[in-house]
Amino acid sequence: DAKTTQPNSMESNEEEPVHLPCNHSTISGTDYIHWYRQLPSQGPEYVIHGLTSNVNNRMASLAIAEDRKSSTLILHRATLRDAAVYYCILTRGGGSNYKLTFGKGTLLTVNP
Amino acid sequence: GAVVSQHPSRVICKSGTSVKIECRSLDFQATTMFWYRQFPKQSLMLMATSNEGSKATYEQGVEKDKFLINHASLTLSTLTVTSAHPEDSSFYICSARGPAATGKLFFGSGTQLSVL
Repeated sequence: DAKTTQPNSMESNEEEPVHLPCNHSTISGTDYIHWYRQLPSQGPEYVIHGLTSNVNNRMASLAIAEDRKSSTLILHRATLRDAAVYYCILTRGGGSNYKLTFGKGTLLTVNP
Repeated sequence: GAVVSQHPSRVICKSGTSVKIECRSLDFQATTMFWYRQFPKQSLMLMATSNEGSKATYEQGVEKDKFLINHASLTLSTLTVTSAHPEDSSFYICSARGPAATGKLFFGSGTQLSVL
């Protein structure tokens, strides 16, 4: 499985933008880049995903490097509710060998 | 959007008993579901991949006779922790792969298992 590397933790202030990096140097051409986040005692929640182009949705933006070996999740204005563990994951569609594993993720702390 | 329902959210049981956790995809058919366990302050650890109509694929180190997985329909997968012991206490999370080719996952809300 292609692995991802993220910083263990990051800190931000409320109302400020947050850039969460992820390295995935062994990504293959068919791997999608997904981001999920997990609040304490809850299951992970989908944030955003992309393949090659940058993506925007109501929660965040995803900037993907041209060589696809890294990506950055951007929260434009952090709120206290954004404090969570953020996981960057590579997914691959189809096939019986499909498997999805989580790295350690980044613990985001948002200061009021 | 797609929803995955997981029950129960919390269970406390005595050592030696078995506990069943259900994971349902409410508005889509899930041919593949995944089961994870998570210890405090750690990441999710994949336990097994459940494919509808076939045997589950277990990750290395996960006892298949201990953690029984059944995926008899396209909307339901169950995880049974047999003869539970205190070391099985953990947060168990299921997820279902959505229908899109992107491989997007939808997660249940998790089950906190406490074995006394």
